[in-house]
Amino acid sequence: AQTVTQSQPEMSVQEAETVTLSCTYDTSESDYYLFWYKQPPSRQMILVIRQEAYKQQNATENRFSVNFQKAAKSFSLKISDSQLGDAAMYFCAYRSGNTGKLIFGQGTTLQVKP
Amino acid sequence: NAGVTQTPKFRILKIGQSMTLQCTQDMNHNYMYWYRQDPGMGLKLIYYSVGAGITDKGEVPNGYNVSRSTTEDFPLRLELAAPSQTSVYFCASSKGLAAEGTDTQYFGPGTRLTVL
Repeated sequence: AQTVTQSQPEMSVQEAETVTLSCTYDTSESDYYLFWYKQPPSRQMILVIRQEAYKQQNATENRFSVNFQKAAKSFSLKISDSQLGDAAMYFCAYRSGNTGKLIFGQGTTLQVKP
Repeated sequence: NAGVTQTPKFRILKIGQSMTLQCTQDMNHNYMYWYRQDPGMGLKLIYYSVGAGITDKGEVPNGYNVSRSTTEDFPLRLELAAPSQTSVYFCASSKGLAAEGTDTQYFGPGTRLTVL
């Protein structure tokens, strides 16, 4: 069975600085997708970024980018120029290529200090 | 376009009671999902559906039932509620699996359920 591990329960960053959230996963599959979701205090789940395992190029969405290390099964999220609105819980998630089922990590709470 | 809507927002149940959590999406998505999120934890999949009339179990299906009679609706039934079912429940939907963007899951606002 696939597992997703986020080893940092809490992180903090100064406004305008850069922070990296860690995620590792375990799988024997070759076809899969990885996601980062943001959950602010409103509880709404918001997709931040998506990565296909077959793509070597790291995904980027504005201030958000990932460092995808397939051999190491690592999928970290980098947030540049952190803003107060980035404060939230961030979840790493895994999806097998042939199902829609998402497997989530435990989450990392990000605090942004003004 | 309302996206994914869930009712109710909050509910308190007594042990042994039953209830149905409603979920509706207006995006004509084929795939729908039910997750639960326990305090300080990630989401765990309860059930999912790949289309009307087709459902399957996720990681934590015990104590729940689902049905999918239409594309839009995917209700989750709790029978004989137990304190262990105290959680926040999220419904989600996605268009498909293949092309980029179609597998993005859109989440409802959640239902906070307490069983006393």
